[in-house]
Amino acid sequence: NAGVMQNPRHLVRRRGQEARLRCSPMKGHSHVYWYRQLPEEGLKFMVYLQKENIIDESGMPKERFSAEFPKEGPSILRIQQVVRGDSAAYFCASSPMTVQETQYFGPGTRLLVL
Amino acid sequence: AQKITQTQPGMFVQEKEAVTLDCTYDTSDQSYGLFWYKQPSSGEMIFLIYQGSYDEQNATEGRYSLNFQKARKSANLVISASQLGDSAMYFCAMREPYSGGYQKVTFGTGTKLQVIP
Repeated sequence: NAGVMQNPRHLVRRRGQEARLRCSPMKGHSHVYWYRQLPEEGLKFMVYLQKENIIDESGMPKERFSAEFPKEGPSILRIQQVVRGDSAAYFCASSPMTVQETQYFGPGTRLLVL
Repeated sequence: AQKITQTQPGMFVQEKEAVTLDCTYDTSDQSYGLFWYKQPSSGEMIFLIYQGSYDEQNATEGRYSLNFQKARKSANLVISASQLGDSAMYFCAMREPYSGGYQKVTFGTGTKLQVIP
C-alpha cells in the first residue's frame, strides 16, 4: 500500500514563473491537506480539500495560490508568479473517510525560487 | 494565543538514555487529539504517536510514550533508550473542532533532538 506521494520532490523556479505541486493521497483516503514549512519553522496549515471540494482554505494566501482535488487524479497546489518568499517545503497529508483519523504525510516538495 | 507550545528549541541526550520533549496546548474543546511527528534531516514527516482527549491510558508505541496530563494541558513525548537515529526535529500537533464540522490540525514550532554517542 503506497504512502502519500508528492512530486516533484524538488522544484526550482525563477521569480514570476508558476509552480505546480502534485499530491496523490494514500489509497482509500479522501481527505487532503496542504501545509507549508518555511526554513527553521513548523508546519503551517494552508488548505483542506475533499474530492472536488475545498473545505477550508483559511491558511492560503489570498492571491497567487490555488488548490484543487479533482474527481480523478492528484491534488494540485498551484502558485502563480512565484516570489522568493514562496521558497519553502510544501507538504501534503491525507486521511481516510473520517477526518478524526491520523494524517499521513508525503515526503514534501522543496520549492526554491531564484 | 499559541495553540501548541514547544518550549525547547533544542535538546541533547546521551545514547541509551531516556528523553522527554515538552508540549503544552490550549483549547476550550472537550474532544481533541494530540500527535507527535518526527522530521529527520531528510525532511519527511513521520507519524509517531496519537492520544485522544478521552483516552484514559497514556499512548505508547514501542520506545515512544505520550505523557498526557489533561488538567495541565500537556502532552509530553518520552523516548526511552535513545538511539542515534532518533536525532531529528520533533513536532507536537493538536487536532480540534473547527467550523464546518471538521477538525483542524495545528503544529508546534518543533524541538530539535540530538543524540550523542
